[in-house]
Parts: sequence; structure tokens; C-alpha cells
Amino acid sequence: GENVEQHPSTLSVQEGDSAVIKCTYSDSASNYFPWYKQELGKRPQLIIDIRSNVGEKKDQRIAVTLNKTAKHFSLHITETQPEDSAVYFCASTEAYSGAGSYQLTFGKGTKLSVIP
Amino acid sequence: DSGVTQTPKHLITATGQRVTLRCSPRSGDLSVYWYQQSLDQGLQFLIQYYNGEERAKGNILERFSAQQFPDLHSELNLSSLELGDSALYFCASSASYRDSGNTIYFGEGSWLTVV
Repeated sequence: GENVEQHPSTLSVQEGDSAVIKCTYSDSASNYFPWYKQELGKRPQLIIDIRSNVGEKKDQRIAVTLNKTAKHFSLHITETQPEDSAVYFCASTEAYSGAGSYQLTFGKGTKLSVIP
Repeated sequence: DSGVTQTPKHLITATGQRVTLRCSPRSGDLSVYWYQQSLDQGLQFLIQYYNGEERAKGNILERFSAQQFPDLHSELNLSSLELGDSALYFCASSASYRDSGNTIYFGEGSWLTVV
């Protein structure tokens, strides 16, 4: 099955600096890569996703890049703010293989702390 | 609001007891997923149902079981509870058919404390 490795497990940055979280996956058939943000005690919320036919996607201060050849994807947060402090999870899912086939494999998470 | 509804939000019970967690997926979503998250842990996939049928199984204990009903809501049954079962249990749903994309949306979770 799919295996997703996520690094680093913890990350501290000064407010205004950039943060980068990296993930690698094992299944070359995977084609959908979402990122979730989870604040303490809250549900994981989708913040951005990318599909395998795209190399980069941006949404304001957040961007995700995908390198299918190397099987890795990264989350970039620019101009970090204290409210960006949370745990971030990357995930991947395999290509469609029949009804109900989508399952996400999650990385272990990165705890991001933005220091004011 | 993700559109995924979970009840109860909080539950405290004693060891050896049995509880049922309930989930209503987003309108139109056919797949329901259950995840367990212990303190400072990642998201452990337990089980997935699609349109009433079990579709995938993760690290779900034999003491746990789930089902999805014809109206697509799902229940997770946890029995012979142990202290280590204390966790946040998330339900998630997705449309899960070819043209829908495969985005998964999480509910707010059910906090289970076993004492």
C-alpha cells in the first residue's frame, strides 16, 4: 500500500518568515495530494490540494508543489502569522480504481509554531 | 462547517463498557471513513464504507465495528473499552465516484474518554 513520509515533525519559525513542509510518497499511481491543517482539538481542514497533472498551485500565502518523478510534494507558507500555528498533514490517494476506491494515506504531521 | 455531522461531541465512559459514535456524511457523499487520533498522534485510519458496504479496513481492533446504513449515515461501535481507547474519533466523507474528485471532509470529531 501507499506510504507517506512527512518532514519535519516540528517546525518553529519567526512571524513573517516562510515555512516549508515536505512529503514523499511511494505509490507512483497516486494522483491527488491534499494538505490539511488541524488546530488543537479541532477537525482537520483542507487548506490546499494538487492533482498530478499540475506542478504547482497557489492560494494567497499558501502554495503546494509536486514533483511526480521524485514522488514528493511540499507545502510552502509565506509571511507566516501566529494563526498559522497548527499541525499540518499531507496525504495522498491512489488513482481511481472503481467506485468507492478513494482512500487517503496521511503523513504523521508537522507541528508548526509561529513565534510572534 | 464541513457538512459532516458527528454525535456525541464528548463522551465519558468506564472501562469495559460499549459506546456508539454516529456520523452523518455530507449530502450526496457515498463514502464514510473513520479515523482515530490519540493525544499528539496522527490520524489512524480505521475503516471505510461506500454506499453501505465495507470498502477498506485499516488498523481497526476486533473490539470495534462499524456499519453504514441505507440512508448513508454510519455508526462506529466500540466495545470492551480500555483506557487506551481514549481518543478523538473522526468521521469523514467523500463523494468517491469518478467525476467527483476525491476530497475528504472531516467532521468535528467525538471525544471519547475512558475512565
